[in-house]
Amino acid sequence: EPEVTQTPSHQVTQMGQEVILRCVPISNHLYFYWYRQILGQKVEFLVSFYNNEISEKSEIFDDQFSVERPDGSNFTLKIRSTKLEDSAMYFCASTRGADGYTFGSGTRLTVV
Amino acid sequence: GNSVTQMEGPVTLSEEAFLTINCTYTATGYPSLFWYVQYPGEGLQLLLKATKADDKGSNKGFEATYRKETTSFHLEKGSVQVSDSAVYFCALSPQSSNTGKLIFGQGTTLQVKP
Repeated sequence: EPEVTQTPSHQVTQMGQEVILRCVPISNHLYFYWYRQILGQKVEFLVSFYNNEISEKSEIFDDQFSVERPDGSNFTLKIRSTKLEDSAMYFCASTRGADGYTFGSGTRLTVV
Repeated sequence: GNSVTQMEGPVTLSEEAFLTINCTYTATGYPSLFWYVQYPGEGLQLLLKATKADDKGSNKGFEATYRKETTSFHLEKGSVQVSDSAVYFCALSPQSSNTGKLIFGQGTTLQVKP
């Protein structure tokens, strides 16, 4: 069964450093998303991406965040200058609309 | 605004017990409703969904009915197994389309003991 692949599974970074989280969505999907889950809290929507542009973003998704689809397969989330409160599990998801969303296994980001 | 509220966990049951995990929502318009499951160390997997009032979603013995009058989408299973131990998330998509963002509840941890 097709999967959404996220790398790395765990990333530790120092406060103030830039980090890039990578996702490979399912190949025939057109809509891409990032969510995050701070430990013990809800899964929160960050951003959706369609047709090479952001279609919606949440209040969390401020200027420190950016997304990119640099080629036909990868979908990345960049955090420019990480803060301690960015520590969370980050989930990528994709859909082609008809069959629901497929989520990756997540990247656990720890900012120290 | 749009929100989802789930019952607090953890829920601990013996094998073959009946499961209910309550979920209520607040939304404008006609949202789609979902249950996702997260097994330890894995991502979120779609368990079932319903896109309009009175629809019943079902999968792997789990069921949930979209109740517009009570704004609820409670998850039920008649006989749980140890392998059902996981975190369960109720979610809604504010638009009836299948491409809008998902708004999640806080998740309910289910522990099933042999």
